[in-house]
Amino acid sequence: QQQVKQSPQSLIVQKGGISIINCAYENTAFDYFPWYQQFPGKGPALLIAIRPDVSEKKEGRFTISFNKSAKQFSLHIMDSQPGDSATYFCAAANFGNEKLTFGTGTRLTIIP
Amino acid sequence: GAGVSQTPSNKVTEKGKYVELRCDPISGHTALYWYRQSLGQGPEFLIYFQGTGAADDSGLPNDRFFAVRPEGSVSTLKIQRTERGDSAVYLCASSLVGGLETQYFGPGTRLLVL
Repeated sequence: QQQVKQSPQSLIVQKGGISIINCAYENTAFDYFPWYQQFPGKGPALLIAIRPDVSEKKEGRFTISFNKSAKQFSLHIMDSQPGDSATYFCAAANFGNEKLTFGTGTRLTIIP
Repeated sequence: GAGVSQTPSNKVTEKGKYVELRCDPISGHTALYWYRQSLGQGPEFLIYFQGTGAADDSGLPNDRFFAVRPEGSVSTLKIQRTERGDSAVYLCASSLVGGLETQYFGPGTRLLVL
């Protein structure tokens, strides 16, 4: 059972544009939603994370939007740059069961 | 400071052989996690250590997989009687105290079973 569904599978965005990646979860016990960035040959690295007590969190060019009632959350990358080209994973966890449940990933390509 | 390190970076073995994968967590991190990442997929949880003990091993796929962390630092993931389906990247992560603290991932060990 896939508990975190992620879309799209791949995304091409022009430099300077907005990249948007979406995730939906099923387990209402989840209360921690991080996004990870992974470059080829490297392990995932935490980008930004949100708890369900807020609907939005912004760090620099990266914003998470969270909709608790819809059980959905999304990553927005503003002013996308070629260096943002990577695979992005959403994930979820809940306190007391700290293993991360990952989505299937989105391969983002930023073109000049 | 040094991040999570994993050795070897690549491992090629034959079906039926035994392999050991090593993880050196960030110094002082009490929580350690193993994940497995198949091609084109997100990491899947295998096991979580808090100190020396396995707090959650619910992700281990079967009894061919075993992991230890005898001194609460370095961990070894052991796979017996490897199968071709075990081919994947095995990722290790550590966090300061567990809970919902940030998990820092190593570069992974790419295992290929022929």
